Amino acid sequence: GAVVSQHPSWVICKSGTSVKIECRSLDFQATTMFWYRQFPKQSLMLMATSNEGSKATYEQGVEKDKFLINHASLTLSTLTVTSAHPEDSSFYICSARVKGAEAFFGQGTRLTVV
Amino acid sequence: DAKTTQPTSMDCAEGRAANLPCNHSTISGNEYVYWYRQIHSQGPQYIIHGLKNNETNEMASLIITEDRKSSTLILPHATLRDTAVYYCIVRVRNYGQNFVFGPGTRLSVLP
Repeated sequence: GAVVSQHPSWVICKSGTSVKIECRSLDFQATTMFWYRQFPKQSLMLMATSNEGSKATYEQGVEKDKFLINHASLTLSTLTVTSAHPEDSSFYICSARVKGAEAFFGQGTRLTVV
Repeated sequence: DAKTTQPTSMDCAEGRAANLPCNHSTISGNEYVYWYRQIHSQGPQYIIHGLKNNETNEMASLIITEDRKSSTLILPHATLRDTAVYYCIVRVRNYGQNFVFGPGTRLSVLP
């Protein structure tokens, strides 16, 4: 199947700093990518939908000024957690769909804010 | 998207078939049944999907009842590496929309 790659796989940062997570579709073009967050022992929750060349659409309760999403090309979307705090510690996962095929997910990024 | 109901957890002996049920009694005619799984600390992995016919691939088989109100994912010879949370998702096949994940079924394959 298609490959979606996330980087980094894990990151530890100090409270108050910003962290950028990259999501790349390696062998296909993705006009739409999705960002999820998963807390321990919980299921994935959609944060936002990232559209190439336009503003992201955020789910209710997700602060767009805190979670900056940029989808500058058909193969790359980035999620920046600004002024991170310990409560932002979570597993962040991106997804992309190939037109006419199924959704593929990145391997996830574990963020720990200390 | 139609709601799905799955058991919270299941055990299966290594080498035996794992049968994971999913109820989706409110499924509509244009909604597909998708199965994904998530191994600990990894992103979800696509397994299989179907509309009304039974489907089989190298990973699993999907059996959908004639009324489409329920389905079963079958892993024919479960291995320890199949231990994961399995998600049954029902939705239209629109590539511009996300997948909504429920709690899934935690399958433990036991030696």
